[in-house]
Amino acid sequence: GENVEQHPSTLSVQEGDSAVIKCTYSDSASNYFPWYKQELGKGPQLIIDIRSNVGEKKDQRIAVTLNKTAKHFSLHITETQPEDSAVYFCAAWKTSYDKVIFGPGTSLSVIP
Amino acid sequence: DGGITQSPKYLFRKEGQNVTLSCEQNLNHDAMYWYRQDPGQGLRLIYYSQIVNDFQKGDIAEGYSVSREKKESFPLTVTSAQKNPTAFYLCASTPGGNTQYFGPGTRLTVL
Repeated sequence: GENVEQHPSTLSVQEGDSAVIKCTYSDSASNYFPWYKQELGKGPQLIIDIRSNVGEKKDQRIAVTLNKTAKHFSLHITETQPEDSAVYFCAAWKTSYDKVIFGPGTSLSVIP
Repeated sequence: DGGITQSPKYLFRKEGQNVTLSCEQNLNHDAMYWYRQDPGQGLRLIYYSQIVNDFQKGDIAEGYSVSREKKESFPLTVTSAQKNPTAFYLCASTPGGNTQYFGPGTRLTVL
């Protein structure tokens, strides 16, 4: 079955710097890759997603890149702000399959 | 206001008791999911349902039960057979083959 690895597990950056979180997946048939942000005590919220027919997607300070050949995708946050501090989860989904497979999460701390 | 609601936000259970967590969505989504999250951990799938009156076990279904009598509702019962139920429980829904939308979660504590 599908397996998703995520690195690093914790990440600390200075305010204004960039943060990069990387994920790898095992099933080459996976074709949808969402990223979620979870603040303490709350449910995860979708922040950006990418499908397998696209190599990169941007939304303001957030971007996601996908390398299908290497089976990895990354989240890039530029000009980080303290409110970006949260746990970030990547996920992989084969849309003909029932279950989303989540990575273990990255705890991001942005230091003012 | 559309979305996914979970209740209660906090729930306390005595050992040996069954408790039911509520999940309701008015997004007209077909599929609904229950996840368990332990401190510092990722999401583990308990049960999911693609259509009304049908559901499948996830990775950690033992000690839990669900029902899907209505499209908008997917309650989760934590039974006394679940030996370590203290956790954060998340419900999600999806229109099918796409993004999952999560509820705010229920924190269950066993006293």
